[in-house]
Amino acid sequence: NAGVMQNPRHLVRRRGQEARLRCSPMKGHSHVYWYRQLPEEGLKFMVYLQKENIIDESGMPKERFSAEFPKEGPSILRIQQVVRGDSAAYFCASSPATGTGAYEQYFGPGTRLTVT
Amino acid sequence: SQQGEEDPQALSIQEGENATMNCSYKTSINNLQWYRQNSGRGLVHLILIRSNEREKHSGRLRVTLDTSKKSSSLLITASRAADTASYFCATPRYGGSQGNLIFGKGTKLSVKP
Repeated sequence: NAGVMQNPRHLVRRRGQEARLRCSPMKGHSHVYWYRQLPEEGLKFMVYLQKENIIDESGMPKERFSAEFPKEGPSILRIQQVVRGDSAAYFCASSPATGTGAYEQYFGPGTRLTVT
Repeated sequence: SQQGEEDPQALSIQEGENATMNCSYKTSINNLQWYRQNSGRGLVHLILIRSNEREKHSGRLRVTLDTSKKSSSLLITASRAADTASYFCATPRYGGSQGNLIFGKGTKLSVKP
């Protein structure tokens, strides 16, 4: 059973360009989470999605950032008009729907975004 | 604001010794999780402990939870060089979805051979 897949692993964008980060959850997992990590910091929650639904986007910046998890295909985190402050590691995680209210999350290897 | 905070920020021990890391949080929770992150990698889930549990074991790991003190500890016994990593506690955001986890800044553990 393959783990959570993220691509690309490294992404370099110039200021003003768009960045698209992809995440394929573990097989059988219907919940996807995106986090951002700055150097020497913990992870900061961005968004929680189920198929075709955004459950919690309280951590998403109001502008330039969007996320989707379509019925078919990977989850996409899109950052428009990137700025240097967007440089960070972006991690995706997935979990099954346990129904217990407690979710163990399984993380991908991350995408390291560098904005030049 | 609710936040898990790990203590100490950094810990250096010799192989074979035990390592203890602590986590404090500020609001009511129904579960707390510990994760490990090797340098440059994604996080690996270690243990989830629920609010009605006081202690949980997994191999060389022992986690305790004291809801009255709003604190948890992670003990790694008989440490190995391969345990060198950063360790994070995570709690669900109070009033948010269960999937919305708040991570502390982590404890950076170095185990010297």
